[in-house]
Amino acid sequence: EVQLVQSGAEVKKPGESLKISCKGSGYSFTSYWIGWVRQMPGKGLEWMGIIYPGDSDTRYSPSFQGQVTISADKSISTAYLQWSSLKASDTAMYYCARHAEPSSIAALAPWGQGTLVTVSS
Amino acid sequence: EIVLTQSPGTLSLSPGERATLSCRASQSVSSSYLAWYQQKPGQAPRLLIYGASSRATGIPDRFSGSGSGTDFTLTISRLEPEDFAVYYCQQYGSSPRSFGQGTRLEIK
Repeated sequence: EVQLVQSGAEVKKPGESLKISCKGSGYSFTSYWIGWVRQMPGKGLEWMGIIYPGDSDTRYSPSFQGQVTISADKSISTAYLQWSSLKASDTAMYYCARHAEPSSIAALAPWGQGTLVTVSS
Repeated sequence: EIVLTQSPGTLSLSPGERATLSCRASQSVSSSYLAWYQQKPGQAPRLLIYGASSRATGIPDRFSGSGSGTDFTLTISRLEPEDFAVYYCQQYGSSPRSFGQGTRLEIK
């Protein structure tokens, strides 16, 4: 079974750094792009960017470029999303999702269970 | 960037009825790279339709997608109680990928 398992909920203060993870299993991790999607409280889905774990080719939405860093460690089948200095406005649920096909152009399936990030002083 | 506009914002229907959800793009979606997702409260989204009209694995055939260019539709032929949720369209043919704002399907 293809599965993405994300790290647990985080509570942080403004200005702190954070790295959340997404571990893939049940498939060839290096062959499928993984994307990150933000969902702010009570709001819709926002596409943040994608990474190809095979060679770490990464593409960002202009809205998130420079705000977050997407990375992957193929040796442990894990993708990451990190912040160097969190803001209260980063409070959201973050989902990772695999591309449904081994292509840079594909829908997202399956999805991880989500990681809730709360940033509050 | 392609902006997707979904309508209506909220759709109130009864089980057994037919639901028609719309997704309109600000410019043509290349090669019909348009997907639909369902999200229930407290859950991650689930892929329903990709390529505008292909059902994802395990999706019941009461769900169907159609359209091309800038106008796309998700149809649920006969609503089951478990279908009441929020639905999002997404274009994945050009960067940045983008989602619509969602349509909430609620029980009337």
